[in-house]
Amino acid sequence: KQEVTQIPAALSVPEGENLVLNCSFTDSAIYNLQWFRQDPGKGLTSLLLIQSSQREQTSGRLNASLDKSSGRSTLYIAASQPGDSATYLCAVMTQGAQKLVFGQGTRLTINP
Amino acid sequence: EAGVAQSPRYKIIEKRQSVAFWCNPISGHATLYWYQQILGQGPKLLIQFQNNGVVDDSQLPKDRFSAERLKGVDSTLKIQPAKLEDSAVYLCASSLKYGPYEQYFGPGTRLTVT
Repeated sequence: KQEVTQIPAALSVPEGENLVLNCSFTDSAIYNLQWFRQDPGKGLTSLLLIQSSQREQTSGRLNASLDKSSGRSTLYIAASQPGDSATYLCAVMTQGAQKLVFGQGTRLTINP
Repeated sequence: EAGVAQSPRYKIIEKRQSVAFWCNPISGHATLYWYQQILGQGPKLLIQFQNNGVVDDSQLPKDRFSAERLKGVDSTLKIQPAKLEDSAVYLCASSLKYGPYEQYFGPGTRLTVT
Protein backbone atom coordinates (compact mmCIF):
# COMPACT_ATOMS: atom_id res chain seq x y z
CA LYS A 1 0.00 0.00 0.00
CA GLN A 2 1.40 3.39 -1.06
CA GLU A 3 2.07 5.85 1.75
CA VAL A 4 3.08 9.47 1.24
CA THR A 5 4.71 11.53 3.97
CA GLN A 6 5.45 15.25 4.02
CA ILE A 7 7.93 16.90 6.34
CA PRO A 8 7.69 19.32 8.01
CA ALA A 9 3.98 19.56 8.87
CA ALA A 10 4.33 23.32 9.27
CA LEU A 11 6.98 25.86 8.32
CA SER A 12 7.28 29.57 9.02
CA VAL A 13 9.97 31.68 7.32
CA PRO A 14 10.62 35.38 6.70
CA GLU A 15 9.87 36.87 3.31
CA GLY A 16 12.60 36.56 0.70
CA GLU A 17 14.03 33.25 1.87
CA ASN A 18 14.46 30.24 -0.37
CA LEU A 19 12.87 27.12 1.06
CA VAL A 20 12.43 23.41 0.43
CA LEU A 21 9.43 21.21 1.13
CA ASN A 22 9.90 17.46 1.29
CA CYS A 23 7.76 14.54 0.18
CA SER A 24 8.53 10.83 0.45
CA PHE A 25 6.64 7.79 -0.82
CA THR A 26 7.01 4.09 -0.09
CA ASP A 27 6.31 2.47 -3.47
CA SER A 28 8.37 3.60 -6.45
CA ALA A 29 5.88 2.13 -8.96
CA ILE A 30 4.33 5.47 -9.85
CA TYR A 31 3.19 7.18 -13.05
CA ASN A 32 3.76 10.71 -11.82
CA LEU A 33 3.95 13.01 -8.84
CA GLN A 34 2.05 16.27 -8.42
CA TRP A 35 2.49 19.22 -6.12
CA PHE A 36 -0.66 21.13 -5.19
CA ARG A 37 -1.38 24.32 -3.34
CA GLN A 38 -4.44 24.70 -1.10
CA ASP A 39 -5.54 28.05 0.30
CA PRO A 40 -7.83 28.10 3.37
CA GLY A 41 -11.39 27.19 2.41
CA LYS A 42 -10.43 26.55 -1.19
CA GLY A 43 -9.86 23.59 -3.44
CA LEU A 44 -6.54 22.32 -4.78
CA THR A 45 -4.53 24.12 -7.42
CA SER A 46 -2.01 22.05 -9.35
CA LEU A 47 1.47 23.60 -9.31
CA LEU A 48 3.71 21.05 -11.01
CA LEU A 49 3.37 17.55 -12.39
CA ILE A 50 6.47 15.39 -12.85
CA GLN A 51 6.24 12.23 -14.93
CA SER A 52 8.07 9.18 -13.57
CA SER A 53 10.65 9.44 -16.37
CA GLN A 54 11.49 13.05 -15.48
CA ARG A 55 13.86 14.39 -12.86
CA GLU A 56 12.44 17.87 -12.38
CA GLN A 57 9.93 20.48 -13.48
CA THR A 58 10.06 24.25 -13.16
CA SER A 59 7.39 26.93 -13.14
CA GLY A 60 8.43 30.46 -12.29
CA ARG A 61 9.89 30.50 -8.78
CA LEU A 62 8.97 26.86 -8.21
CA ASN A 63 11.13 23.85 -8.94
CA ALA A 64 10.14 20.28 -8.16
CA SER A 65 12.50 17.33 -8.31
CA LEU A 66 11.80 13.63 -8.32
CA ASP A 67 14.08 10.76 -7.28
CA LYS A 68 11.88 7.75 -7.90
CA SER A 69 14.44 5.17 -6.80
CA SER A 70 14.74 6.70 -3.34
CA GLY A 71 11.05 7.60 -3.12
CA ARG A 72 11.59 11.32 -2.66
CA SER A 73 10.51 14.63 -4.12
CA THR A 74 11.30 18.19 -3.13
CA LEU A 75 9.55 21.45 -3.92
CA TYR A 76 11.90 24.41 -3.97
CA ILE A 77 10.42 27.90 -3.65
CA ALA A 78 12.76 30.77 -4.47
CA ALA A 79 12.49 34.27 -3.01
CA SER A 80 9.38 33.48 -0.96
CA GLN A 81 6.56 36.02 -0.75
CA PRO A 82 3.65 36.42 1.72
CA GLY A 83 1.33 35.33 -1.08
CA ASP A 84 3.02 31.93 -1.05
CA SER A 85 1.44 31.22 2.35
CA ALA A 86 -0.76 28.14 1.91
CA THR A 87 -0.77 24.39 2.47
CA TYR A 88 1.30 22.46 -0.04
CA LEU A 89 0.33 18.88 -0.82
CA CYS A 90 2.18 16.26 -2.81
CA ALA A 91 0.43 13.30 -4.40
CA VAL A 92 1.61 10.28 -6.36
CA MET A 93 -0.34 8.47 -9.05
CA THR A 94 0.19 4.80 -8.34
CA GLN A 95 0.53 2.21 -11.06
CA GLY A 96 -2.01 -0.59 -10.97
CA ALA A 97 -4.65 1.19 -8.91
CA GLN A 98 -4.13 4.37 -10.96
CA LYS A 99 -5.24 6.69 -8.21
CA LEU A 100 -3.75 9.70 -6.46
CA VAL A 101 -2.40 9.12 -2.96
CA PHE A 102 -1.80 12.32 -1.01
CA GLY A 103 0.51 13.32 1.78
CA GLN A 104 -0.89 15.22 4.75
CA GLY A 105 0.53 18.53 3.56
CA THR A 106 2.95 21.20 4.78
CA ARG A 107 1.38 24.42 6.07
CA LEU A 108 3.66 27.26 4.95
CA THR A 109 3.62 30.76 6.42
CA ILE A 110 5.73 33.54 4.91
CA ASN A 111 6.15 36.44 7.32
CA PRO A 112 6.47 39.97 5.86
CA GLU B 1 -12.61 27.15 -19.84
CA ALA B 2 -14.88 26.78 -16.82
CA GLY B 3 -13.49 24.79 -13.90
CA VAL B 4 -15.05 22.11 -11.76
CA ALA B 5 -18.17 23.42 -10.03
CA GLN B 6 -19.46 22.20 -6.68
CA SER B 7 -22.43 23.07 -4.51
CA PRO B 8 -23.21 23.85 -1.82
CA ARG B 9 -19.97 25.37 -0.54
CA TYR B 10 -20.91 24.89 3.10
CA LYS B 11 -23.39 22.66 4.90
CA ILE B 12 -24.17 22.15 8.57
CA ILE B 13 -26.38 19.22 9.59
CA GLU B 14 -27.13 17.21 12.70
CA LYS B 15 -25.97 13.62 13.05
CA ARG B 16 -28.33 11.04 11.53
CA GLN B 17 -29.57 13.56 8.95
CA SER B 18 -28.91 13.14 5.25
CA VAL B 19 -27.02 15.44 2.88
CA ALA B 20 -26.18 15.58 -0.81
CA PHE B 21 -23.39 17.28 -2.70
CA TRP B 22 -23.34 18.13 -6.40
CA CYS B 23 -20.44 18.32 -8.84
CA ASN B 24 -20.22 19.46 -12.45
CA PRO B 25 -16.87 18.52 -14.03
CA ILE B 26 -14.96 20.32 -16.75
CA SER B 27 -16.73 19.90 -20.08
CA GLY B 28 -15.47 16.87 -21.97
CA HIS B 29 -13.79 15.24 -18.98
CA ALA B 30 -14.66 11.56 -18.86
CA THR B 31 -13.35 10.77 -15.39
CA LEU B 32 -14.76 12.18 -12.16
CA TYR B 33 -13.50 11.71 -8.61
CA TRP B 34 -14.87 12.37 -5.13
CA TYR B 35 -12.39 12.90 -2.30
CA GLN B 36 -12.85 13.34 1.44
CA GLN B 37 -10.42 15.67 3.22
CA ILE B 38 -10.50 15.62 7.02
CA LEU B 39 -8.97 18.64 8.74
CA GLY B 40 -5.18 18.38 8.82
CA GLN B 41 -5.03 15.47 6.39
CA GLY B 42 -4.58 15.02 2.68
CA PRO B 43 -7.57 14.15 0.49
CA LYS B 44 -8.62 10.49 0.36
CA LEU B 45 -10.28 9.06 -2.74
CA LEU B 46 -13.84 7.87 -2.10
CA ILE B 47 -15.04 6.95 -5.58
CA GLN B 48 -13.94 7.26 -9.19
CA PHE B 49 -16.20 7.25 -12.27
CA GLN B 50 -15.30 6.67 -15.89
CA ASN B 51 -18.21 8.23 -17.82
CA ASN B 52 -21.18 6.89 -15.82
CA GLY B 53 -19.53 3.68 -14.61
CA VAL B 54 -17.76 3.16 -11.27
CA VAL B 55 -14.06 2.34 -11.62
CA ASP B 56 -13.08 2.30 -7.94
CA ASP B 57 -15.25 2.65 -4.84
CA SER B 58 -13.10 0.56 -2.51
CA GLN B 59 -12.82 3.35 0.10
CA LEU B 60 -16.46 4.44 0.01
CA PRO B 61 -18.36 3.55 3.22
CA LYS B 62 -21.19 1.96 1.33
CA ASP B 63 -23.44 1.53 4.37
CA ARG B 64 -23.98 5.29 4.46
CA PHE B 65 -22.40 6.86 1.36
CA SER B 66 -23.68 6.60 -2.20
CA ALA B 67 -22.76 8.33 -5.43
CA GLU B 68 -24.03 8.43 -8.95
CA ARG B 69 -23.09 10.02 -12.23
CA LEU B 70 -26.10 9.99 -14.47
CA LYS B 71 -25.48 10.56 -18.18
CA GLY B 72 -21.74 10.66 -17.54
CA VAL B 73 -21.66 14.37 -16.67
CA ASP B 74 -22.88 15.71 -13.30
CA SER B 75 -22.42 13.68 -10.14
CA THR B 76 -24.08 13.57 -6.74
CA LEU B 77 -22.57 12.24 -3.50
CA LYS B 78 -24.99 11.43 -0.68
CA ILE B 79 -24.51 10.62 2.99
CA GLN B 80 -27.37 8.98 4.89
CA PRO B 81 -27.31 8.95 7.88
CA ALA B 82 -24.44 11.30 8.70
CA LYS B 83 -22.07 10.71 11.61
CA LEU B 84 -19.88 13.18 13.47
CA GLU B 85 -16.76 11.72 11.81
CA ASP B 86 -18.12 12.66 8.38
CA SER B 87 -17.25 16.30 9.09
CA ALA B 88 -14.77 17.12 6.33
CA VAL B 89 -14.31 18.90 3.03
CA TYR B 90 -15.64 16.93 0.08
CA LEU B 91 -13.69 17.63 -3.09
CA CYS B 92 -14.69 16.78 -6.61
CA ALA B 93 -12.10 16.49 -9.38
CA SER B 94 -12.15 15.58 -13.05
CA SER B 95 -9.65 14.49 -15.67
CA LEU B 96 -9.78 14.10 -19.43
CA LYS B 97 -9.49 10.32 -19.32
CA TYR B 98 -9.08 7.45 -16.88
CA GLY B 99 -5.47 6.87 -15.94
CA PRO B 100 -2.40 9.01 -15.16
CA TYR B 101 -3.88 12.27 -16.38
CA GLU B 102 -3.84 15.57 -14.54
CA GLN B 103 -6.77 16.05 -12.19
CA TYR B 104 -8.51 19.41 -11.77
CA PHE B 105 -10.21 20.12 -8.47
CA GLY B 106 -13.31 22.06 -7.53
CA PRO B 107 -13.56 24.41 -4.51
CA GLY B 108 -15.01 21.71 -2.27
CA THR B 109 -17.99 21.48 0.09
CA ARG B 110 -17.26 21.90 3.79
CA LEU B 111 -19.57 19.65 5.82
CA THR B 112 -20.02 20.06 9.55
CA VAL B 113 -21.99 17.38 11.41
CA THR B 114 -23.12 18.40 14.90
